[in-house]
Amino acid sequence: GAVVSQHPSRVICKSGTSVKIECRSLDFQATTMFWYRQFPKQSLMLMATSNEGSKATYEQGVEKDKFLINHASLTLSTLTVTSAHPEDSSFYICSVRHRSNNEQFFGPGTRLTVL
Amino acid sequence: GNSVTQMEGPVTLSEEAFLTINCTYTATGYPSLFWYVQYPGEGLQLLLKATKADDKGSNKGFEATYRKETTSFHLEKGSVQVSDSAVYFCALITSYDKVIFGPGTSLSVIP
Repeated sequence: GAVVSQHPSRVICKSGTSVKIECRSLDFQATTMFWYRQFPKQSLMLMATSNEGSKATYEQGVEKDKFLINHASLTLSTLTVTSAHPEDSSFYICSVRHRSNNEQFFGPGTRLTVL
Repeated sequence: GNSVTQMEGPVTLSEEAFLTINCTYTATGYPSLFWYVQYPGEGLQLLLKATKADDKGSNKGFEATYRKETTSFHLEKGSVQVSDSAVYFCALITSYDKVIFGPGTSLSVIP
């Protein structure tokens, strides 16, 4: 299977600051990446679809100005949580879709805690 | 629309017990079906998958059969181990749509 990395794995920040999370596809090129958020003891909720070279597609209820997505290359997508608040504390997971078989591979996740 | 329903947890079993986690789905077209596992503090790992009716996915002693007539994809394992303690997510994807996850089922296996 494909290898997907995320950085950082954990981040703690003060309220009002911005946090950038990176998602990398290490062994294949991904035109499409996905960002999910997972609250404790809940399922994954899709936030947005990240498209290389174009704007991300956000799910209903997700603020695009708060969760900035940049898919600058075929192997890297970044999610920036702007002006983070405690309610943004969550587990953020990215995934990449392999074009050949439509299978999705997930990153290890980033635990964000906003104080 | 597309959706996935799983049996509610948490599920607690003794080691070597038989495991079944029910999963049913609603989808247009012919989805691919997946089971993912999430260990504490980690991301998701693909456990097994099936891409068409009557396919059986299997991995690490876990099995699930794609049943189109009952729109189900139940996860089974004959003898669970403590190391199987995790949260299990049933999921589907139709063509190039998004992955739709079930709510997850927490499994605890006690020695």
